[in-house]
This record gives sequence, structure tokens and C-alpha cells, in this order.
Amino acid sequence: DTGVSQDPRHKITKRGQNVTFRCDPISEHNRLYWYRQTLGQGPEFLTYFQNEAQLEKSRLLSDRFSAERPKGSFSTLEIQRTEQGDSAMYLCASSASVQAYFGPGTRLTVT
Amino acid sequence: AQTVTQSQPEMSVQEAETVTLSCTYDTSESNYYLFWYKQPPSRQMILVIRQEAYKQQNATENRFSVNFQKAAKSFSLKISDSQLGDTAMYFCAFMKPLNAGKSTFGDGTTLTVKP
Repeated sequence: DTGVSQDPRHKITKRGQNVTFRCDPISEHNRLYWYRQTLGQGPEFLTYFQNEAQLEKSRLLSDRFSAERPKGSFSTLEIQRTEQGDSAMYLCASSASVQAYFGPGTRLTVT
Repeated sequence: AQTVTQSQPEMSVQEAETVTLSCTYDTSESNYYLFWYKQPPSRQMILVIRQEAYKQQNATENRFSVNFQKAAKSFSLKISDSQLGDTAMYFCAFMKPLNAGKSTFGDGTTLTVKP
């Protein structure tokens, strides 16, 4: 068990570009979550998968955001036409029961 | 919708002393979980302690303990014998049992342990 991993750890992109982040959960964790964390604030829920099914999406997740978990294992989060307001830490977490395990996050900077 | 409030943006404590971080929450649920997470600088978030709302006994984990007041919707974290490695951002979080893993977080308290 190597924990939740995320790639890349840092991403700098220009406004208007598309970016994709990857999350590898702890193996056999059927639940996977994406959160966004801006400086000085707590994580905000974005979306949740149980196996490959996306069961819930926050209103924070605009049409420019899409997430997938094609085989119920790793997940990707894509942001299209990035805006400066998208600059944040994107956290992934996985769980098999009550406790969620967080990854190190991907820090996105949109210039 | 649930809300979680941490009213202390920053706190400091001397090494080996005790510090209490405050958290209040608002919910109409009767059964839920509460958590304290620790996020050290540039490192990932880890669970410190959790409390099930149906349990009256306050949770403890070594130097960490909580004071859970369900009627007052208060959930404070006490850190005893503070260590330099306790320096971190601490988040209080709320979770409904049917939404296992999906939590509502407060804005955090930055704790600095001074030598």
C-alpha cells in the first residue's frame, strides 16, 4: 500500500490552455474524491466516484471541468480553457469506509 | 447544508505545553462523523482523530483528544505536550455517514509550536 498518488505535483499553464491531472488511489478503495483547496481555505468538494460511476458533482464544477474514472481505478480531472481563478491545489482522496486518505495534491498556477 | 467554522485562523504554543483548537458546526443531522486533519507545510493531509456523533465518549489518540459537545455543536481539539512536529494547518471536518469520505471542511487553524 503506497498511499494515494497524484501527478503532476505542480503545473503552470497559461490562461486558456487545457490541463489534466491524474490520481491513483489506494488499491481496492472503491471511493475516490476530488477537492479543490485555495490559499487560506479548507478543501472544497468537487466530485465523487464509487468504482467507475460518478455519483455526485458539486456546483463548483463548471462545464469546463470533467472527471473520469474509466476502470474504477485511477481518475483524471481535466480543466478546459483554464482561467486565473482555477489556480489552486487539487486534492484527491480515496476511501473504502469512513476514513479518507488524501494524496499530496497538484498545485495549479494559471498565468 | 452543513457548515464548519474554525474561528482561530492562527495560534501558537510553546513546546511541551497544551493548546486547544476550536471548531463549531451546523447541521440538522443526528448521526454524523467529525474529524480533525493535520496538513503540515507542503505535505499531505492526514487524519488526526475522528468522533462518531452517536458516541458520548470523547475520542483520544495519544496526545490528541477532543471535547465533543453535541448539543452545542462544538468539537475542539486538545494537543497535549506539544511538539515541534505538530506545527501544521489543522482542519475540522464534518461528514454524513451515507456520504462516506465526502467531507465539509472548515477554513483551518495554523498552529505554530515554538521551541
